[in-house]
Amino acid sequence: DAKTTQPPSMDCAEGRAANLPCNHSTISGNEYVYWYRQIHSQGPQYIIHGLKNNETNEMASLIITEDRKSSTLILPHATLRDTAVYYCIVRVGILTGGGNKLTFGTGTQLKVEL
Amino acid sequence: NAGVTQTPKFRVLKTGQSMTLLCAQDMNHEYMYWYRQDPGMGLRLIHYSVGEGTTAKGEVPDGYNVSRLKKQNFLLGLESAAPSQTSVYFCASSTALGGGETQYFGPGTRLLVL
Repeated sequence: DAKTTQPPSMDCAEGRAANLPCNHSTISGNEYVYWYRQIHSQGPQYIIHGLKNNETNEMASLIITEDRKSSTLILPHATLRDTAVYYCIVRVGILTGGGNKLTFGTGTQLKVEL
Repeated sequence: NAGVTQTPKFRVLKTGQSMTLLCAQDMNHEYMYWYRQDPGMGLRLIHYSVGEGTTAKGEVPDGYNVSRLKKQNFLLGLESAAPSQTSVYFCASSTALGGGETQYFGPGTRLLVL
């Protein structure tokens, strides 16, 4: 199963782009990359996911390298409300009968400051 | 559309007491999950369900039981609470979309076992 490596913490100025890196060098060809975030004391919130191509939605952009060994989550204009722990997750496996086992590591604590 | 809701939000138990945590979703999702999160750690899967009337064990199932009598509800039971079960419990649900599945999380239940 693919594992991910993220920096434990990052800072970003409000209004600037936040670029959160993730390494997943052992990712398999059919494994998706997911990003979730968890604002203090709340449930995890889905942000974006991708397989090979770059993806963009109303929250963020996901850039996946051509060899798929790393990815970057981009919050284009970070605000104070984006302060949270960001988890990069590679689908670990399919559970018996269906569903995905998502392994949440310790993530990156992003602090957005004025 | 309330998404995923959890009841109660907070509970204090004495060792040996029992309780049931309720998770409800109004998105007609097939899959439902129970996770626990301990301080400074990621989420760990306790039990999951791939459909009404079916349940299966996750990574840390000992001391917990679950039931899925209705598609929209997933109950987590503690028959005899122990201090080691002090944690924050999150429920999640998702559709059966295979690799592109997105899990939606509830706000969490904080449990303290004395």
